[in-house]
Amino acid sequence: AQSVTQLGSHVSVSEGALVLLRCNYSSSVPPYLFWYVQYPNQGLQLLLKYTSAATLVKGINGFEAEFKKSETSFHLTKPSAHMSDAAEYFCATMGGFKTIFGAGTRLFVKA
Amino acid sequence: DAGVTQSPTHLIKTRGQQVTLRCSPKSGHDTVSWYQQALGQGPQFIFQYYEEEERQRGNFPDRFSGHQFPNYSSELNVNALLLGDSALYLCASSLGDRGLENSPLHFGNGTRLTVT
Repeated sequence: AQSVTQLGSHVSVSEGALVLLRCNYSSSVPPYLFWYVQYPNQGLQLLLKYTSAATLVKGINGFEAEFKKSETSFHLTKPSAHMSDAAEYFCATMGGFKTIFGAGTRLFVKA
Repeated sequence: DAGVTQSPTHLIKTRGQQVTLRCSPKSGHDTVSWYQQALGQGPQFIFQYYEEEERQRGNFPDRFSGHQFPNYSSELNVNALLLGDSALYLCASSLGDRGLENSPLHFGNGTRLTVT
């Protein structure tokens, strides 16, 4: 069965530093993968998606993710963190008609 | 372009009671999925409605039921509430015949349910 595992429930970076949020997937077939962001008291918003067209996927707000089959990973990065990036980030995959979410990583950005 | 709307935003119920949550999908979307998000956890899939039928169900008891109306809006009903049902309930919409890879979920802001 498809699943995703997010490494690190909390990540703290300084403003302007690199953001790296880790996600590994488990799938018997080439997966579809997503990153969503959740700001406080809001629903989830799609950041980007991987659908096998290209291994490096660019999303909104300067985020990107690279699909690495050899590592079964789909890590999310951003070169320079902004205070506004502080939120909960969820890696996700598909299982039938449903989206399957990881446990989430909370990103803290220090001034 | 109206996004996904959910009502109410907050709700407090007592154990054993029943609750109904409502969702209107994003304009143009025909499929509604419901998720439960407990504090500090990722959303867990409850079920999905497409063409007024439950198309897929997650690992939730029969106390959780739903409905989709001809205008694609949806309700989530929970009977015999337990303390453990306290959570944020999220509704998400998509296009049912496009696949999630082509029509990812659009979420509402959720209904915060507290069971006392």
